[in-house]
Amino acid sequence: DAGVIQSPRHEVTEMGQEVTLRCKPISGHNSLFWYRQTMMRGLELLIYFNNNVPIDDSGMPEDRFSAKMPNASFSTLKIQPSEPRDSAVYFCASSPGTSRREQFFGPGTRLTVL
Amino acid sequence: DQQVKQNSPSLSVQEGRISILNCDYTNSMFDYFLWYKKYPAEGPTFLISISSIKDKNEDGRFTVFLNKSAKHLSLHIVPSQPGDSAVYFCAATRRFNAGGTSYGKLTFGQGTILTVHP
Repeated sequence: DAGVIQSPRHEVTEMGQEVTLRCKPISGHNSLFWYRQTMMRGLELLIYFNNNVPIDDSGMPEDRFSAKMPNASFSTLKIQPSEPRDSAVYFCASSPGTSRREQFFGPGTRLTVL
Repeated sequence: DQQVKQNSPSLSVQEGRISILNCDYTNSMFDYFLWYKKYPAEGPTFLISISSIKDKNEDGRFTVFLNKSAKHLSLHIVPSQPGDSAVYFCAATRRFNAGGTSYGKLTFGQGTILTVHP
């Protein structure tokens, strides 16, 4: 069974450009999470979806960041315009939503904004 | 405000010996705790979890201990193997209610780099 799939694995872009990160959660999982990992702040939650609906976006840093989940098998995280301080590894995770609460992570997208 | 802390940035252990990774938390509302392992260029991988109603959970070589009064948990790996060399993250969660949905929001520690020498 495939795990969480993220694309691209690496993205290098210039400041001001739009960046779109993609995620396919594990089939059957009804919760999806976007995280960002930096040296300074560690792993921090950006946004959480339940049954394709955004529930908690309090971690989204600013209006330049947006996330969508048009269906149960696909989600995007968009940064427009991108800035050098957005450089980080972005992880997508999904969870079956059971009482055990484990989240299963994708391999991440390493974003570099020049 | 660091609600979950892993005070040891790194730990070095000989193969076959015990590895003990520690984690402290400050939020008494946390009721479920998890350990993740992360290799370079990969996402975190779930290892083991424990509910606050227990004080120990064991899975093969991995055991997690929870001391609620001290707000402290630890992960024991016995025996340690070179393949265990990775970054280990402690995470804690509590139930949040948002948008009519209850969910567990993970708060992660900064991680501990474990190196197991052959």
